[in-house]
Amino acid sequence: EAGVAQSPRYKIIEKRQSVAFWCNPISGHATLYWYQQILGQGPKLLIQFQNNGVVDDSQLPKDRFSAERLKGVDSTLKIQPAKLEDSAVYLCASSLSKGVSSYNEQFFGPGTRLTVL
Amino acid sequence: AQSVSQHNHHVILSEAASLELGCNYSYGGTVNLFWYVQYPGQHLQLLLKYFSGDPLVKGIKGFEAEFIKSKFSFNLRKPSVQWSDTAEYFCAVNAGGYNKLIFGAGTRLAVHP
Repeated sequence: EAGVAQSPRYKIIEKRQSVAFWCNPISGHATLYWYQQILGQGPKLLIQFQNNGVVDDSQLPKDRFSAERLKGVDSTLKIQPAKLEDSAVYLCASSLSKGVSSYNEQFFGPGTRLTVL
Repeated sequence: AQSVSQHNHHVILSEAASLELGCNYSYGGTVNLFWYVQYPGQHLQLLLKYFSGDPLVKGIKGFEAEFIKSKFSFNLRKPSVQWSDTAEYFCAVNAGGYNKLIFGAGTRLAVHP
């Protein structure tokens, strides 16, 4: 079974530039997550999609971050404009979850390491 | 707000030593608990999980964890570590709907041969 795919694996940009990350979840997984992992910290959920609808974006800095999941499959996360503090690894995960009450394992991709200079 | 605390940020052990990594969470209701591991250069993967039932759960590679509800703890243990256990370990909790995970800051384990 193919895992969660992410690209690019590494990205270096200057502050105030824009950047986009792409995620392809495991086939058939209804739920997709984007996490931000700053060095020395655990992953923090930015946004969660159920199919192509947003179910939680409470920790997404909406003034500069945006995400979409068109057609309920692939997803992109964009930062515009980037700040120094956005340097982190951006992880994508997916799971089978289709309801509120059931929990299903999240499978993580390799992440994209972003460095903002 | 829900939170997860991991007591040790860095642990250094020699091979064959015993391991215990602490994890405490703050949430008064029903929780699902997890330990994830990230080996060098690899992605996060599930080590073990607790949903209900026997509070002592066993995972892959000889790891186990004990859920102590009265202490809000879910400590990870392994009787004898190997060099290949060198990795970063994350405790996480799911409390509430929609599969949301809250992660601790992680513990970086280095095992010397």
